[in-house]
Amino acid sequence: DAGVTQSPTHLIKTRGQQVTLRCSPKSGHDTVSWYQQALGQGPQFIFQYYEEEERQRGNFPDRFSGHQFPNYSSELNVNALLLGDSALYLCASSLGSRANYGYTFGSGTRLTVV
Amino acid sequence: QKEVEQDPGPLSVPEGAIVSLNCTYSNSAFQYFMWYRQYSRKGPELLMYTYSSGNKEDGRFTAQVDKSSKYISLFIRDSQPSDSATYLCAMILTSGTYKYIFGTGTRLKVLA
Repeated sequence: DAGVTQSPTHLIKTRGQQVTLRCSPKSGHDTVSWYQQALGQGPQFIFQYYEEEERQRGNFPDRFSGHQFPNYSSELNVNALLLGDSALYLCASSLGSRANYGYTFGSGTRLTVV
Repeated sequence: QKEVEQDPGPLSVPEGAIVSLNCTYSNSAFQYFMWYRQYSRKGPELLMYTYSSGNKEDGRFTAQVDKSSKYISLFIRDSQPSDSATYLCAMILTSGTYKYIFGTGTRLKVLA
């Protein structure tokens, strides 16, 4: 049973560029949430996708956008990259939009903006 | 003031010690409480979850929630070097706006 898979694992981008990160949820899960984790910090909620719609959003600018496909996989897009966007981006899946019993996380995509 | 506070550590203990990890929170409306373990260069892995106040035990791990004090704890008995990781508390607010908040994590090192 595959868990959450994320690609790529590492990425280096230049300031001002755009990036797309991808996530396939755990089998049987239908909801994908994206988190940003800076070094030494806890994960910060970016947004959540359920039934192909953005259901909730954290305190992140519009440069961060996403999409969910009919097979429940998801993409996170970040435009006009800033140095401060360097972080580990985590995808978390759950069954239903209320993950009261916990998430399953992927291993993350480490993004470095130079 | 942050909604969830967690001492970042690092916390170093000898193998076999009992480890106590803690978080405090400010919003009394939090209802679900979780502990995740995160190894270096990996995503967090759910260890324990509890609903409302009380204790929950799973093997060497015990999670404790004291809603009156707004304080949650994770105890690890007979700690092993393989327990060396960052431990993140998380809590969920389900009334009104749904919120899922993580602490900053406590780095634990168990010395052989």
